[in-house]
Amino acid sequence: KAGVTQTPRYLIKTRGQQVTLSCSPISGHRSVSWYQQTPGQGLQFLFEYFSETQRNKGNFPGRFSGRQFSNSRSEMNVSTLELGDSALYLCASSRERAEQYFGPGTRLTVT
Amino acid sequence: EDKVVQSPLSLVVHEGDTVTLNCSYEVTNFRSLLWYKQEKKAPTFLFMLTSSGIEKKSGRLSSILDKKELFSILNITATQTGDSAIYLCAVEVGLNYGGSQGNLIFGKGTKLSVKP
Repeated sequence: KAGVTQTPRYLIKTRGQQVTLSCSPISGHRSVSWYQQTPGQGLQFLFEYFSETQRNKGNFPGRFSGRQFSNSRSEMNVSTLELGDSALYLCASSRERAEQYFGPGTRLTVT
Repeated sequence: EDKVVQSPLSLVVHEGDTVTLNCSYEVTNFRSLLWYKQEKKAPTFLFMLTSSGIEKKSGRLSSILDKKELFSILNITATQTGDSAIYLCAVEVGLNYGGSQGNLIFGKGTKLSVKP
């Protein structure tokens, strides 16, 4: 069974630009969650989608948004990038409960 | 504010040693506690604990939850260099509208280094 895939794996952007990251969950998993991981803050929850609906959202500014498609694939978008947005962005999928399976992440560098 | 605290933040041991990693939490609407191992990129799932006092075991790794004292420990016996990783503890908190999956709050992790 294929795992969670994320694209792209690495990304370099400049301040003020926007970026879109993609996540394909494990087949049959309807829940997709996004996390930001930085050395100082650790793993922080961004939002979770289930059946194309955002079910929960973490404490991030409105520049961070996401969506989920009917095939459960999900995208997250960050607009007006700031230097502090440089991080590893992890996507995780699950069937129902919290046993989440993580993708390899997208390393975003903002210069 | 919900929080999950792991200790120690880092640990260096030698092969063959036994280690105990700690995770304490203060959350509203606790549902479960999970342990993950992160080596390079993606955290990999180790255990999910929902009931107090019931040990979960997988090879040399074991974990137990104490819901009265609000903590969990992860034990690794006979450590190997391949156990070197960051171990993450996460607590699932229920959502207000009672959805089937709650939100995961992660601790900052314990970085374990096992020397040969």
